[in-house]
Amino acid sequence: KNEVEQSPQNLTAQEGEFITINCSYSVGISALHWLQQHPGGGIVSLFMLSSGKKKHGRLIATINIQEKHSSLHITASHPRDSAVYICAVWIFGNEKLTFGTGTRLTIIP
Amino acid sequence: GAGVSQSPSNKVTEKGKDVELRCDPISGHTALYWYRQSLGQGLEFLIYFQGNSAPDKSGLPSDRFSAERTGGSVSTLTIQRTQQEDSAVYLCASSSQEWSTQYFGPGTRLTVL
Repeated sequence: KNEVEQSPQNLTAQEGEFITINCSYSVGISALHWLQQHPGGGIVSLFMLSSGKKKHGRLIATINIQEKHSSLHITASHPRDSAVYICAVWIFGNEKLTFGTGTRLTIIP
Repeated sequence: GAGVSQSPSNKVTEKGKDVELRCDPISGHTALYWYRQSLGQGLEFLIYFQGNSAPDKSGLPSDRFSAERTGGSVSTLTIQRTQQEDSAVYLCASSSQEWSTQYFGPGTRLTVL
């Protein structure tokens, strides 16, 4: 079993829908990242979280340390949000970043 | 420059040759990270530097891989005696401090024939 699990693996939605992508992990962590990888391959770091909630534009990320769970929400989704969204964690005592397998999001106009 | 730069953007090499990949982080960023993404696969963490020091090198796939960073700035990832399974996009990122937002470079696409 992977230490970091994402769901769903694939998500297709209509433009304007509210999107939720989930990330669960099984170990103690120092911090969690959400990354976005566009179809051309470029990667953008969206959020780094160690507790609570962060918001940037239409994107919201939350983390529940006790439940070992994080969610990435996209409000008023748009076709340009189509990308692979990746969750990654820094594990306590482990100087490595461990990645989830990614969620491929497709927003249809 | 304004962002993270990597060179070369593409590298084609023959099996058994050595290659050196370069990363120029954002000026002033103390943390630097190397990742690998094989075709159709997810991201794989290789190593990170805090300043010139790499706390843990166990993420490097084999002893053919090495990385160094000098002057707290430029980093090089060296692959000796390349193998076909080394073919991938090698990505570099930097951040102002450990565990903060990372800024990614465009990557180096390595093809080993």
